[in-house]
Amino acid sequence: GAVVSQHPSRVICKSGTSVKIECRSLDFQATTMFWYRQFPKQSLMLMATSNEGSKATYEQGVEKDKFLINHASLTLSTLTVTSAHPEDSSFYICSARDEGPTSYEQYFGPGTRLTVT
Amino acid sequence: GQNIDQPTEMTATEGAIVQINCTYQTSGFNGLFWYQQHAGEAPTFLSYNVLDGLEEKGRFSSFLSRSKGYSYLLLKELQMKDSASYLCAVRDRGQKVTFGIGTKLQVIP
Repeated sequence: GAVVSQHPSRVICKSGTSVKIECRSLDFQATTMFWYRQFPKQSLMLMATSNEGSKATYEQGVEKDKFLINHASLTLSTLTVTSAHPEDSSFYICSARDEGPTSYEQYFGPGTRLTVT
Repeated sequence: GQNIDQPTEMTATEGAIVQINCTYQTSGFNGLFWYQQHAGEAPTFLSYNVLDGLEEKGRFSSFLSRSKGYSYLLLKELQMKDSASYLCAVRDRGQKVTFGIGTKLQVIP
């Protein structure tokens, strides 16, 4: 089945620094990828929709200047958390949909646990 | 917008059957997913329904009634490893998928 990878799986950074998270679709092309955030004991909250070759679409309340998304190719999207603060500590998960004619499944990456100290 | 409701916690006995319900309200329905998520891990796909009726896949089955805005996930022959959170998620016509809070299932011996 389709696989989505994320790198890194865990990252610890100091407050004020920036962190980049990569999301790759390994055996299919994805013009659209999604970035979610999950706080402990809560469900996944969609942050933004990443569109290949164009600007990302951000959900209400998500700061686009703080969470920079770049979807440079059909297999790679990156999320950069700029000037990270402890409240940004969370589990970040990307997903992508195999956009073949008979596919519907949305595949998730393994997630990146960000801890800001 | 979308609104999804599911119970927050359930407990069931090993070997038994459990049904997890999900109700939703959406402006444009384009499919309902069930995912399993173990603590600290990403969700894994269980099922997808876009038409009314029951979809069976091994020990897991999922049912959808679009007119009622209702779905359930049925787990049979429960095993201890089935202890996890089960997420109901609805996709709209813009391909946006919104997740419910998740149902934490505890399987006890």
